[in-house]
Amino acid sequence: DTGVSQNPRHKITKRGQNVTFRCDPISEHNRLYWYRQTLGQGPEFLTYFQNEAQLEKSRLLSDRFSAERPKGSFSTLEIQRTEQGDSAMYLCASSWRRGDRGRGATNEKLFFGSGTQLSVL
Amino acid sequence: DAKTTQPPSMDCAEGRAANLPCNHSTISGNEYVYWYRQIHSQGPQYIIHGLKNNETNEMASLIITEDRKSSTLILPHATLRDTAVYYCIVRVGWGGSEKLVFGKGTKLTVNP
Repeated sequence: DTGVSQNPRHKITKRGQNVTFRCDPISEHNRLYWYRQTLGQGPEFLTYFQNEAQLEKSRLLSDRFSAERPKGSFSTLEIQRTEQGDSAMYLCASSWRRGDRGRGATNEKLFFGSGTQLSVL
Repeated sequence: DAKTTQPPSMDCAEGRAANLPCNHSTISGNEYVYWYRQIHSQGPQYIIHGLKNNETNEMASLIITEDRKSSTLILPHATLRDTAVYYCIVRVGWGGSEKLVFGKGTKLTVNP
């Protein structure tokens, strides 16, 4: 399978625990995005990387959240001291983007994984 | 915040064309119109995008009005597998934040 892979598919945790999700993008893609989605809502942007550089973070990404993409390939999203409000689907997407930031977005298509469903009890 | 307005739900008969409208009255000259869809329990899937010309691919057609303030996604022969939430998104092509901002979309139900 050459699509975007996310693990685990489901995660159940108790409030206060830390969780980490992994995203493996399509291999030649240089951009990687994280989104969060709650029931009945569209996906909400969290952050994105170009190669290993984190270029933008949403205000939704509190200090309990951290994302890394250490070698410009896979990425991890960690949530510390989880709260019940963190329960959501966490989606990862990747894309190939030509050129520097601010250029070349004209034909960028995002490919999404199936997400990790987090339930905080 | 999303810069588009879509009806919350629509129905379509199988085999007929599905026409999904989207208003984006504040669109800027360097913003593209993108359409994605999300089938239950899956991540969103890219459908099509355009700047000002009409576009067609193997999945759908995109009609953008001349003033670019609205657009219509057309699925020419809807099937049951087209039942999904369809998102219309305007996105900066250059010179600004490049993230996709999703609204609530239109829930399209294709009926047999």
